[in-house]
Amino acid sequence: QVQLQQWGAGLLKPSQTLSLTCAVYGGSFSGYSWSWIRQPPGKGLEWIGEINHSGSTNYNPSLKSRVTISVDTSKNQFSLKLTSVTAADTAVYYCARVPPSLLRGWFDPWGQGTLVTVSS
Amino acid sequence: QSVLTQPPSASGTPGQRVTISCSGSSSNIGSNTVNWYQQLPGTAPKLLIYNNNQRPSGVPDRFSGSKSGTSASLAISGVQSEDEADYYCAAWDDNLNGRVFGGGTKLTVL
Repeated sequence: QVQLQQWGAGLLKPSQTLSLTCAVYGGSFSGYSWSWIRQPPGKGLEWIGEINHSGSTNYNPSLKSRVTISVDTSKNQFSLKLTSVTAADTAVYYCARVPPSLLRGWFDPWGQGTLVTVSS
Repeated sequence: QSVLTQPPSASGTPGQRVTISCSGSSSNIGSNTVNWYQQLPGTAPKLLIYNNNQRPSGVPDRFSGSKSGTSASLAISGVQSEDEADYYCAAWDDNLNGRVFGGGTKLTVL
């Protein structure tokens, strides 16, 4: 049973860089895409972006200028960096796996979530 | 403002059939499959339905999904108290070249 375990700094000041890592345990890393999703407090889900098995990335156009998603296949991990954060970036951040599919796939499983608060 | 439109709330009494709608456009639901996620209070979302109407192993068969044109629906037949949760639809959007979610529907079991 594959599990995603994520971690990173939970409190940032405005203008700092958000950095989160997600590790994959109990399953294959290759062949899948890996995604990040966030959820502001009391609000809905927002897709941030993802990276596929060949290293190609897709980002939400609204965040594209500030986001970088990368993978470390030697460690079965992938990471999210979001630069120049503001209070609007305060959210629970989730990592998720996307299986290979001709039909674009889906998010399964999800990490446990990391609350990131941006405050001066 | 979410790309996919869901009603903010839905409700039903135990045993009732409840449906949640998800409306999109030709660039997302109209040309791609829809997935549904269940988020129980205080937990991470969980995959409920994939590829419009497929249930992952372990998901009760009272949950079903359908799609027609640019809309999709999640149905819960015989809703139970443990089904109280937020439900989200999602799909790929060809115009945005990325994934989009509905705003979520909070299901209350009365």
